[in-house]
Amino acid sequence: GENVEQHPSTLSVQEGDSAVIKCTYSDSASNYFPWYKQELGKGPQLIIDIRSNVGEKKDQRIAVTLNKTAKHFSLHITETQPEDSAVYFCAASGGGDSSYKLIFGSGTRLLVRP
Amino acid sequence: GAVVSQHPSWVICKSGTSVKIECRSLDFQATTMFWYRQFPKQSLMLMATSNEGSKATYEQGVEKDKFLINHASLTLSTLTVTSAHPEDSSFYICSASSGNKNIQYFGAGTRLSVL
Repeated sequence: GENVEQHPSTLSVQEGDSAVIKCTYSDSASNYFPWYKQELGKGPQLIIDIRSNVGEKKDQRIAVTLNKTAKHFSLHITETQPEDSAVYFCAASGGGDSSYKLIFGSGTRLLVRP
Repeated sequence: GAVVSQHPSWVICKSGTSVKIECRSLDFQATTMFWYRQFPKQSLMLMATSNEGSKATYEQGVEKDKFLINHASLTLSTLTVTSAHPEDSSFYICSASSGNKNIQYFGAGTRLSVL
């Protein structure tokens, strides 16, 4: 089955700097890769997603890149702000018999220092 | 759009009692709903998938008789934790998807504490 690895587990950046979180997946048939932001005590919020027919997608300060050959995708946050502090999860789906299931990475705790 | 409401947000119960958690899609019809469990500082673990009008599909290791799932309508799914024990204390989160099952929208979660 699919396996998603996420790094780093924690990331601390200065306000205004960029943050990059990386994920790798194992199932080459996976074709959908969303990123979720989870604040303390709340459910995950979808912030951006990308499909396998696209290499990059951008939404204001957030961008995601996908390298299908290497089977990895990354989240880029520019001009970070304190309110970006949260836990971020990557996920993958679309492969195998259970193509609709989301397989989550282990999460990255992002701290933006004011 | 794509709002998922989960209730209650927090529940405390005595060991041996049952607890029901509701998950509603407010502005779309959810053909599929998912139930996850999340322990502190860990990732989300899928417990089961439910399609409207049919039995839920449980992940390996999840007891279907303990975690009863009902998806009677396109906007409502419920998870009942039966005979709850302290080890069932966790953060339970539902998600819902419409035609495109890949895209899931999550509820705010329910924190269950079993005394």
